[in-house]
Amino acid sequence: DVVMTQSPLSLPVTLGQPASISCRSSQSLVHSDGNTYLNWFQQRPGQSPRRLIYKVSNRDSGVPDRFSGSGSGTDFTLKISRVEAEDIGVYYCMQGTHWPQTFGQGTKVEIK
Amino acid sequence: EVQLVESGGGLIQPGGSLRLSCAASGFTVSSNYMNWVRQAPGKGLEWVSVIYSGGSTYYADSVKGRFTISRDNSKNTLYLQLNSLRAEDTAMYYCATGSDSGGYWGQGTLVTVSS
Repeated sequence: DVVMTQSPLSLPVTLGQPASISCRSSQSLVHSDGNTYLNWFQQRPGQSPRRLIYKVSNRDSGVPDRFSGSGSGTDFTLKISRVEAEDIGVYYCMQGTHWPQTFGQGTKVEIK
Repeated sequence: EVQLVESGGGLIQPGGSLRLSCAASGFTVSSNYMNWVRQAPGKGLEWVSVIYSGGSTYYADSVKGRFTISRDNSKNTLYLQLNSLRAEDTAMYYCATGSDSGGYWGQGTLVTVSS
């Protein structure tokens, strides 16, 4: 199985400041169809996960533009340009290129 | 609006069985892949099973031979039959799907395996 490694696992942030989460895969996530199936999910306390980003850099409908995804191959990043209070929670990367789909361990974003 | 509503969870003894349901509205369960993903208390997300639009099914090694995914197109509902349950199956179970049009998760249903 493809191992997804996130860092850091805990991210204390200051409101209004930027934040960045790294996700590395044990194999390239470029699919034979040319797409890279790397998604980012947000899970607020007590809620279900919510998809924020699909195929590396595409924001889902309703996701604030302060969230952005980037990367290629095995190295990916989720950035929050200015953290707001509602951004607190756990963030997961997930790959869907190789079977079975696998998740990162999660990064807990909390207020400093 | 797409909605996924899970049900069927509960407290069950080791070795017991449960059937989870995921009722969909706003889209057709047979038109896209449908996943079950679980989350043990205080832990991360673990993919459990998938059924594709063509009917192919796949399972995580940890549940293979014990869990069965299926769907009822007439009821637009996804199911997960859980047999031979173990303590380590205790988790919130989510149904989820996604495409370029959107990613959707239900609110989850809690399965607790304990004597």
